[in-house]
Amino acid sequence: DAGITQSPRHKVTETGTPVTLRCHQTENHRYMYWYRQDPGHGLRLIHYSYGVKDTDKGEVSDGYSVSRSKTEDFLLTLESATSSQTSVYFCATSLSEAGGYTFGSGTRLTVV
Amino acid sequence: QKEVEQDPGPLSVPEGAIVSLNCTYSNSAFQYFMWYRQYSRKGPELLMYTYSSGNKEDGRFTAQVDKSSKYISLFIRDSQPSDSATYLCAMSALGGAQKLVFGQGTRLTINP
Repeated sequence: DAGITQSPRHKVTETGTPVTLRCHQTENHRYMYWYRQDPGHGLRLIHYSYGVKDTDKGEVSDGYSVSRSKTEDFLLTLESATSSQTSVYFCATSLSEAGGYTFGSGTRLTVV
Repeated sequence: QKEVEQDPGPLSVPEGAIVSLNCTYSNSAFQYFMWYRQYSRKGPELLMYTYSSGNKEDGRFTAQVDKSSKYISLFIRDSQPSDSATYLCAMSALGGAQKLVFGQGTRLTINP
């Protein structure tokens, strides 16, 4: 989706290194979300934000932190990457509490 | 037990067939029900959105929600090869950020 840009699109990193994934939106949506998608598990919520500097944990937040200093940017940080964090990471936004999500194209992360 | 259960398939049908995709859920607080379509190596895109119980039709697609049975369905009529994708059901409760809970996704192939 042109309104949501995720970077990088692909990344290979080593175990134990910190990694930051970026989500940038031009939709001016209030809510932003980070999900991971894995075979057999579907999409699982990592963290979400309901406004600038307002964030909360999702279902699988251990080992991840987030920051949102501007409406348009939502960063996901893997503090010390592990092989279990190899996954496809999706950012999503929503305008309201009940409008459905718009997804980015995903970041494919491999931890070796 | 997962909050949302979806048969992962894969499901393969001939072109022109009627396709039925289903999800069951356990959380009676869910009020918003959605279907997303995801093409290979892309982000999910919102296909159908339903609030509470009932049916919704959009072209060849019909979404049904039966809250008494905690069961939702997506029907695709006159299926086309371009409908080949993974279909994910998703749902959320009222209030606050819309934290969607996704099914595992059903991989669908329409054969010409």
